[in-house]
Amino acid sequence: QKEVEQDPGPLSVPEGAIVSLNCTYSNSAFQYFMWYRQYSRKGPELLMYTYSSGNKEDGRFTAQVDKSSKYISLFIRDSQPSDSATYLCAMKVDQAGTALIFGKGTTLSVSS
Amino acid sequence: ETGVTQSPTHLIKTRGQQVTLRCSSQSGHNTVSWYQQALGQGPQFIFQYYREEENGRGNFPPRFSGLQFPNYSSELNVNALELDDSALYLCASSLETRVGLAGANVLTFGAGSRLTVL
Repeated sequence: QKEVEQDPGPLSVPEGAIVSLNCTYSNSAFQYFMWYRQYSRKGPELLMYTYSSGNKEDGRFTAQVDKSSKYISLFIRDSQPSDSATYLCAMKVDQAGTALIFGKGTTLSVSS
Repeated sequence: ETGVTQSPTHLIKTRGQQVTLRCSSQSGHNTVSWYQQALGQGPQFIFQYYREEENGRGNFPPRFSGLQFPNYSSELNVNALELDDSALYLCASSLETRVGLAGANVLTFGAGSRLTVL
């Protein structure tokens, strides 16, 4: 079993839809959880960064962490064609150090 | 404020050759990490450099090596290239500190160097 599992999709939705992206993980020591967005031919850019369990909201994006279920989610409200990208979940054990463990990424396409 | 820049953007090598990839850190960052992203996969941690020394390594063989320079820029070297080394190589910089500074310990990625091994 991989440490981080993420359905690669692809996921296609119409503009304005609510998108739900998810990852599961096996290492209960993970404490820091991130979502990165990666456009084609670009490097990943950080969208959301959360510590431990709970919700965090930033504009149209909401990140949820459920450590008891080892499950994290990213919700995108009012999705736009510009949201079309690959979304990568990532996590790590300690705040210091940068050895992130990534999921495979989910490819999202939002049609206008 | 400049971001992370990588060079070259694309290159093609043949099996057995050696390659050097370069990375300039974001201004104010003191740590560089390298990741390998194969097609359709998430990035995999290769190693991290802090104060010019390797400070953590993933599951990669010794033919993957690196350097960090006093200006925090970095190189990734891969010897004896294999076909499976074909991937996007991502450099990421960060400000590593154990003090709770906002934005600390968060990676900023470059656009990557795409290596094709024939």
